[in-house]
Amino acid sequence: AQSVTQLDSQVPVFEEAPVELRCNYSSSVSVYLFWYVQYPNQGLQLLLKYLSGSTLVKGINGFEAEFNKSQTSFHLRKPSVHISDTAEYFCAVKKGGGSYIPTFGRGTSLIVHP
Amino acid sequence: EAGVAQSPRYKIIEKRQSVAFWCNPISGHATLYWYQQILGQGPKLLIQFQNNGVVDDSQLPKDRFSAERLKGVDSTLKIQPAKLEDSAVYLCASSFPDGASGANVLTFGAGSRLTVL
Repeated sequence: AQSVTQLDSQVPVFEEAPVELRCNYSSSVSVYLFWYVQYPNQGLQLLLKYLSGSTLVKGINGFEAEFNKSQTSFHLRKPSVHISDTAEYFCAVKKGGGSYIPTFGRGTSLIVHP
Repeated sequence: EAGVAQSPRYKIIEKRQSVAFWCNPISGHATLYWYQQILGQGPKLLIQFQNNGVVDDSQLPKDRFSAERLKGVDSTLKIQPAKLEDSAVYLCASSFPDGASGANVLTFGAGSRLTVL
């Protein structure tokens, strides 16, 4: 079974600084990878996804992530964060093919300070 | 396109009472999911429907939780009787297969926050 590890439970950063939220997964087969964002009192919103093709994936709100198969990682990055990026971020992995459902990490709380 | 609708947004009950949550997925989405999100944790799948059939309910506590999707559109999740540890946000999601890869891409509703006292 696949699993997802989000290494940081909380990441504080100042506005306009770069940020990286780390995600590692374990799976012996091909995977699809996702990052979701959850703002307070809201549901999860898809930020970006890796299904196939280029390993550098660009998403909404200026976020991007890079799939690294050798390191089994899918870290999320943004070169310059805004106060409005303060939210909970979830990494998810799904086995390729079939009807498998995504497994979510525990989440990383991004806190952007002015 | 309208999103995934859920109600109620908030519910407070006492332990041993019952509660029901409703979800209306995006039109045309055949697959519907119910997730439980406990504070400080990632979402955990409770049940997955494909049209009106159950695909996966291996993590659903069947002694107290039940779910149905009778006409293959909207769905209801029920908890009876509720326990303190059921306090969580219950998220409904629906999905469609990505055209190129066939992977299901989930769209989530805003969630129903349950507090059990």
